[in-house]
Parts: sequence; structure tokens; C-alpha cells
Amino acid sequence: DAGITQSPRHKVTETGTPVTLRCHQTENHRYMYWYRQDPGHGLRLIHYSYGVKDTDKGEVSDGYSVSRSKTEDFLLTLESATSSQTSVYFCAISVTSGGNNNEQFFGPGTRLTVL
Amino acid sequence: AQSVTQLDSQVPVFEEAPVELRCNYSSSVSVYLFWYVQYPNQGLQLLLKYLSGSTLVKGINGFEAEFNKSQTSFHLRKPSVHISDTAEYFCAVTATQAGTALIFGKGTTLSVSS
Repeated sequence: DAGITQSPRHKVTETGTPVTLRCHQTENHRYMYWYRQDPGHGLRLIHYSYGVKDTDKGEVSDGYSVSRSKTEDFLLTLESATSSQTSVYFCAISVTSGGNNNEQFFGPGTRLTVL
Repeated sequence: AQSVTQLDSQVPVFEEAPVELRCNYSSSVSVYLFWYVQYPNQGLQLLLKYLSGSTLVKGINGFEAEFNKSQTSFHLRKPSVHISDTAEYFCAVTATQAGTALIFGKGTTLSVSS
């Protein structure tokens, strides 16, 4: 599982509240990603990071921000949660050496419900 | 940019029948291709991947896929499915540049019944 953990695993919150999801990896991988999974949409990229303090937007970045102050942690923040952000959120890392060539390993996911 | 189309959203089959899950991709650059599986209420697990070389790749649980560059396809096959293969399957593509994110198809739900 490439040593990826996500916290919390489940969260219920109310519209308008800020929420931060944490992704932690133990193997010092450079590239990290946040995806959301919704029925009928597959997984869509929210933000990604290619190093400490280096991040960029993905396909569905509106309403989300990220931070990466150290290699092992990649935080996803919903500044003001909306019901449309109810989803399952997956963090991933990319292994770019040793024959894995951009293969991504995923964390266990965080199920977020915004009421 | 890359894109992926999974041609079937749901595929119902009987146990021990063969199955093919279809995936087409679009890209203006060289790509790597992947199939992931997600069992109910679980995370994503890699089934197989195409990086280069032989166009027929074998993965876990008896699955295989064939990369067809001319048809820009990467269909997943299994000659005989089991009840335990019931899951959602995702095809994904990425450019070969290091660190490029995966682009996923919308998924195909495989339902195996007895």
C-alpha cells in the first residue's frame, strides 16, 4: 500500500464549515495527488504536488486548496464546504522509478458528507 | 492532454463466462495505461499496466489486457470470471513524463452472478 494513510476516514460536516483532509506517506515520494470519486464520474484530479511547496490545480480544483509543507504530508482544504463536495476523497502517490513509471498507489480514502 | 472512454458502464455476466471490458484512450503523446479494480467499499488496487514492449500484458487474478496503438484501445479480458470478480473497474492513462497524473475513465461495473 506504499505506506499511505488518510485522516479522517469518515467525516460529516455542515455546509459552510472548513474541512481539512490529511494524506501522509512514509516512503518519501515526490509526487502526490488528491482525487475525488463520484458515481458515474470515476476519479477526477483535484490538485497535485511535485514537491514541497510545489502544487498545481487539477480538473476539479474550484473550492479546494492544498498545502505541502513537508514531503510526507499533503493537505486538502475545503474552505467552505458545500453539498456538492460530498464525495469520497483519495490521496495517491506516484512511483516514478524502479520500473513502476507513473504507477500510482492509493490511500484508503476519506468519505466526506456535507449536510 | 489525455482522455479515457470506458464504453460500457455496466457488464453483467454469469460465472465462468468470458468477459471483456472495453477502454479507448486519446492522447497526442506517448502514454502508459493501467487498469485498476475497486471492490465494494474498498480502495483502488492495480490490476495490470502497460508501459512498453509486449502489447499483451498479464495482471493479477487471471486478467489480461492488450494494448492496440492503432485503435487506441486497451481492453481488459478474463476467460472465466468468478463471483469474486464483481467490482468496479477503471481504465486510466498517463503521459510518460514523470509525475504526470492519471486520467481515469468513468468506470465499468462488472456484476458476476451464478
